[in-house]
Amino acid sequence: DVKVTQSSRYLVKRTGEKVFLECVQDMDHENMFWYRQDPGLGLRLIYFSYDVKMKEKGDIPEGYSVSREKKERFSLILESASTNQTSMYLCASKKTGGGNQPQHFGDGTRLSIL
Amino acid sequence: AQTVTQSQPEMSVQEAETVTLSCTYDTSESDYYLFWYKQPPSRQMILVIRQEAYKQQNATENRFSVNFQKAAKSFSLKISDSQLGDAAMYFCASLTGTASKLTFGTGTRLQVTL
Repeated sequence: DVKVTQSSRYLVKRTGEKVFLECVQDMDHENMFWYRQDPGLGLRLIYFSYDVKMKEKGDIPEGYSVSREKKERFSLILESASTNQTSMYLCASKKTGGGNQPQHFGDGTRLSIL
Repeated sequence: AQTVTQSQPEMSVQEAETVTLSCTYDTSESDYYLFWYKQPPSRQMILVIRQEAYKQQNATENRFSVNFQKAAKSFSLKISDSQLGDAAMYFCASLTGTASKLTFGTGTRLQVTL
């Protein structure tokens, strides 16, 4: 089975801090994604990556950056955390192949910015 | 741009009964895929069922089936013989062509009662 592991289930940080959310997948997937999930808004794509060192902006990239130095790891960075970034963050990965390859999700990180 | 709309924020069904969750989508592409994902209270998102737009036959996975109405851009999920373990948040999502980005609806929370 595919395993997508997010480093923290719960995280509490302070406004202005630099925050790192880590995601690791063990199935050699080319594509990785970061979403945030908010009640009533569903999942919104922040950034995604097609390959190592490749990244593309999703629908809501403002205030975030990403890093993909190794194929298995995709990091989401909040450069200067703000209270409106309090949310659930979900990481996902998939093999290249469009809709024939499903996305596999991690357990999520519930991030609170105080 | 793709949009996915789920108009039912919450639904309730009695155990062993059948429930249908609604989803409509909008895309200008002819090649696309549609998905239903389930997110139980434990939070890991899992794929329930997938439909290729070029296939006329509705997808079925055990107790889960879809009613895909291409002309109406409708993609509803039917859960038969509902079980307590079906209680979850259900998300409808679309993906076009070879792109790997999913567009999600806002979700429907399904309660299963005794």
